[in-house]
Amino acid sequence: DTEVTQTPKHLVMGMTNKKSLKCEQHMGHRAMYWYKQKAKKPPELMFVYSYEKLSINESVPSRFSPECPNSSLLNLHLHALQPEDSALYLCASSQGRLAGAPGETQYFGPGTRLLVL
Amino acid sequence: AQSVTQLDSQVPVFEEAPVELRCNYSSSVSVYLFWYVQYPNQGLQLLLKYLSGSTLVESINGFEAEFNKSQTSFHLRKPSVHISDTAEYFCAVSDGVGRGSTLGRLYFGRGTQLTVWP
Repeated sequence: DTEVTQTPKHLVMGMTNKKSLKCEQHMGHRAMYWYKQKAKKPPELMFVYSYEKLSINESVPSRFSPECPNSSLLNLHLHALQPEDSALYLCASSQGRLAGAPGETQYFGPGTRLLVL
Repeated sequence: AQSVTQLDSQVPVFEEAPVELRCNYSSSVSVYLFWYVQYPNQGLQLLLKYLSGSTLVESINGFEAEFNKSQTSFHLRKPSVHISDTAEYFCAVSDGVGRGSTLGRLYFGRGTQLTVWP
């Protein structure tokens, strides 16, 4: 099973709302990623979790708050977003092997399409 | 950091014609190369990858890509396209895992929109 699931599929929120995006995988992967993708652009890396610890934060504004409650789940908490944050938010996972291993394959979920009004 | 160049932002072709989507990457000691496909309103799906071994890699739906180290290229080809191949194609490169904060991160090209016309 190489499936990464994401909920919800679509989300509309106001600038004062608080919402959360959820991502789940059951492949035993220990690295999980959040990406943001604008239309006609490649995905932009936001956060990387390795063994449930935040290892990369690409200078993302604090209105985005990631959380990794266990090895299968990854959340992205949203608060006080701006209209320019409207995008497709993609979650991915990979094995998370030790240093020196060859490049890992990242498996992507279908994404959550977010619209901020 | 790695960089990936996809020179063609759009490639229109007729059904059953051959197609090549170009991808070049910046040189490194060792790289690992991927092609992902994104159908409209969907996430990214892995199409094929090169980690080591044979420089020609194939996907189950007829695409193939060849790793050319001397030309730092990983072009994607299909001898005969179908309308269902219409999608955005992203080339990506990774330079391995566990090197500090890189953690095998992917560097994406800007994408190539393949449109197949009947």
